[in-house]
Amino acid sequence: GESVGLHLPTLSVQEGDNSIINCAYSNSASDYFIWYKQESGKGPQFIIDIRSNMDKRQGQRVTVLLNKTVKHLSLQIAATQPGDSAVYFCAENGNDYKLSFGAGTTVTVRA
Amino acid sequence: EPEVTQTPSHQVTQMGQEVILRCVPISNHLYFYWYRQILGQKVEFLVSFYNNEISEKSEIFDDQFSVERPDGSNFTLKIRSTKLEDSAMYFCASRAAPNTGELFFGEGSRLTVL
Repeated sequence: GESVGLHLPTLSVQEGDNSIINCAYSNSASDYFIWYKQESGKGPQFIIDIRSNMDKRQGQRVTVLLNKTVKHLSLQIAATQPGDSAVYFCAENGNDYKLSFGAGTTVTVRA
Repeated sequence: EPEVTQTPSHQVTQMGQEVILRCVPISNHLYFYWYRQILGQKVEFLVSFYNNEISEKSEIFDDQFSVERPDGSNFTLKIRSTKLEDSAMYFCASRAAPNTGELFFGEGSRLTVL
């Protein structure tokens, strides 16, 4: 079955608000997770990653939280902007950094 | 900024025909991948390639598929006899370092099989 999955397929957020995108995984041995963003008509683009020895990692306007107890990770986007409208995928690292992507959450930013 | 480039951007072919999708990875990258994305679905792993050989492949990557790095810059995906269900966006990706999950993806080649 699927090893990573997202909780909600769509998220609508007001410009300027914070966005939270959730992802669950099933393999307790997984030790490395990555968030990707895919804009319409483009390939996935790396946002941020986190290893299992951390529970939080921050980037520019983004924060990833990892809860290994419940096998859940989230991506928080601060002050969401129109350019953040995209599909967001969580990915789990496998052998040779073969990434297994989840189904994706489509984020729509309302002006 | 260096980028992964893919050609063609869109190819339409008849069922049973051979298709070659081409990719030029970022020049100092050593690890190469093909993924595909059927319309509206998630991105699926096909194959990884390192040191001139396949390092891992998925169930999707059957004997109709092959990859090649013919000249040190191009990385190609060949589908020998296309089927309707091969219609998808095919993404090439490359990675520089052995310890990062940051893959750099191309913009994709859309394959339509009629």
